[in-house]
Amino acid sequence: GQNIDQPTEMTATEGAIVQINCTYQTSGFNGLFWYQQHAGEAPTFLSYNVLDGLEEKGRFSSFLSRSKGYSYLLLKELQMKDSASYLCAVSDSNYQLIWGAGTKLIIKP
Amino acid sequence: EPEVTQTPSHQVTQMGQEVILRCVPISNHLYFYWYRQILGQKVEFLVSFYNNEISEKSEIFDDQFSVERPDGSNFTLKIRSTKLEDSAMYFCASSEGLQGVSGANVLTFGAGSRLTVL
Repeated sequence: GQNIDQPTEMTATEGAIVQINCTYQTSGFNGLFWYQQHAGEAPTFLSYNVLDGLEEKGRFSSFLSRSKGYSYLLLKELQMKDSASYLCAVSDSNYQLIWGAGTKLIIKP
Repeated sequence: EPEVTQTPSHQVTQMGQEVILRCVPISNHLYFYWYRQILGQKVEFLVSFYNNEISEKSEIFDDQFSVERPDGSNFTLKIRSTKLEDSAMYFCASSEGLQGVSGANVLTFGAGSRLTVL
């Protein structure tokens, strides 16, 4: 079966750095996506990785290792508005997105 | 910035009633999707639609569900006879292409329609 694993919840301090991990087992791989979802709102796109390595976009970076079936989302200089759920999703062999359950990130002052 | 719009934002219905959720995808997008998210749970794929027909559907998308693109702009999800377990947030999304083909082909989601079945 296809599976995406993420921690359920993480807590971090404003101004700090946090790393949210995602491991996946899917039939085929056509890229890994990270989406941010604030409570009661729709998911919004953060990043896309299809090749191994680090993609940096401002305070957010995303890393991929295809051989390990592993990705992480790194958030730097945390702000209170970063409190949200972070969803990992993998595009499988049929270009269908398989979603993780999301990691709820709580930022404390 | 282009957006996906959904109506209604919240609908309360009695079990067994029919519900139609409406979506206007981004105009130059070719792929349309319905997802649902039960409160506190993961996003679940229901159906994708391309070239005026269903391209993929999940096990959740049984005979009680149907989708339609009645005109050039609207994309609707119909639930024929709602059940208590259909209570969820329903998200419509659209994209230019399939996710992972020629780049990200990012999904743009609407704000969602919260369905409450009593």
